[in-house]
Amino acid sequence: AQSVTQLDSQVPVFEEAPVELRCNYSSSVSVYLFWYVQYPNQGLQLLLKYLSGSTLVKGINGFEAEFNKSQTSFHLRKPSVHISDTAEYFCAVSDRAAGNKLTFGGGTRVLVKP
Amino acid sequence: NAGVTQTPKFRVLKTGQSMTLLCAQDMNHEYMYWYRQDPGMGLRLIHYSVGEGTTAKGEVPDGYNVSRLKKQNFLLGLESAAPSQTSVYFCASSYLGLELSPRNEQFFGPGTRLTVL
Repeated sequence: AQSVTQLDSQVPVFEEAPVELRCNYSSSVSVYLFWYVQYPNQGLQLLLKYLSGSTLVKGINGFEAEFNKSQTSFHLRKPSVHISDTAEYFCAVSDRAAGNKLTFGGGTRVLVKP
Repeated sequence: NAGVTQTPKFRVLKTGQSMTLLCAQDMNHEYMYWYRQDPGMGLRLIHYSVGEGTTAKGEVPDGYNVSRLKKQNFLLGLESAAPSQTSVYFCASSYLGLELSPRNEQFFGPGTRLTVL
């Protein structure tokens, strides 16, 4: 069974500073990788996804992530955060062999301070 | 398009009561999913459906039942609610599951916050 590990449960960061959220997955088969964002009291919204091709993926709101197959990682980065980036971020891996089921990490709560 | 909608948004139950959560999507998606979200555990898959009339168990199916009588609707039922089922429930849908395509994206509803006393 797959597992997804988000190494940081909370990340405080000052406005305009860079942020990196770490994600590692366990599956050794080909995978699709996703980052979702959940703003307070809202549902999940897709930030970006890796399906194939370039290992550097750009998403919405200035976020990007890099797929590293050898390290089974998919870390999310933003060079300069805004207060509005305060949210919880989830990394997820899709099992291509069975119904596109997503396995989620435990989430990283980002708190942007002024 | 409304996307994925869920009803109700909030519900409080007593232990032993039953209820049904409704998920509806207007994107003609084949696949639908029910997740529960608990602090520090991310989202966990309860049940899913790969088409009208089909359902399958996910990671945490015990205590829940589902039905997909119409393509656009996916119902989640709790026959006898327990405090351990206090959670936020999310429904999602996707076009298909296996093809290498941008349509792999799952679209999520806004969630239902359920408290079982």
